[in-house]
Amino acid sequence: AQTVTQSQPEMSVQEAETVTLSCTYDTSESNYYLFWYKQPPSRQMILVIRQEAYKQQNATENRFSVNFQKAAKSFSLKISDSQLGDTAMYFCAFMRGFGNEKLTFGTGTRLTIIP
Amino acid sequence: NAGVTQTPKFRVLKTGQSMTLLCAQDMNHEYMYWYRQDPGMGLRLIHYSVGEGTTAKGEVPDGYNVSRLKKQNFLLGLESAAPSQTSVYFCASKGGDLMNTEAFFGQGTRLTVV
Repeated sequence: AQTVTQSQPEMSVQEAETVTLSCTYDTSESNYYLFWYKQPPSRQMILVIRQEAYKQQNATENRFSVNFQKAAKSFSLKISDSQLGDTAMYFCAFMRGFGNEKLTFGTGTRLTIIP
Repeated sequence: NAGVTQTPKFRVLKTGQSMTLLCAQDMNHEYMYWYRQDPGMGLRLIHYSVGEGTTAKGEVPDGYNVSRLKKQNFLLGLESAAPSQTSVYFCASKGGDLMNTEAFFGQGTRLTVV
């Protein structure tokens, strides 16, 4: 079974600074996908960024980027120029590449952006 | 386009009562999921379905049943609610091919069992 670990229950950063959220995972699969989801106070789950394991290039989406280290099974999220609207719970998630495609989530990191 | 809709959004139950949570999606997705979210535990998979008429157990299935009689609907039932089932419940759906990796979530249902 796959496991996803987020070791930072809470983090805070000043507005406009850069922050990195950590995630590690454990799997014997070679083909899989990794995701970061954001959950603001509204409770809605929003996909922030995804990474295909077969791609060496790190995914980026505007101010959000990942550092994907496949050998180390590490998948961190970097938020640049942080904004007040980035305040939320962030969940790292894993999904196998084919068949039985369940999302396995980490326990989350609560990020607070300080004005 | 409504996406994934959960009904109801809030509910308070007494111990031993039963209820059904309804999830409806209008994206013609093959896969549907029910998760529960508890503080410090992230989202844990209760049951899921890979297509109409199919269901399977997830990580925490005890005390819950599900049905997927129609492709667009996925029902989660609690036959005899317990305080340990107090949680926020999320439904999600996803397309069935490898190009559709994004799961879309409903807005959640906050259930309190007293």
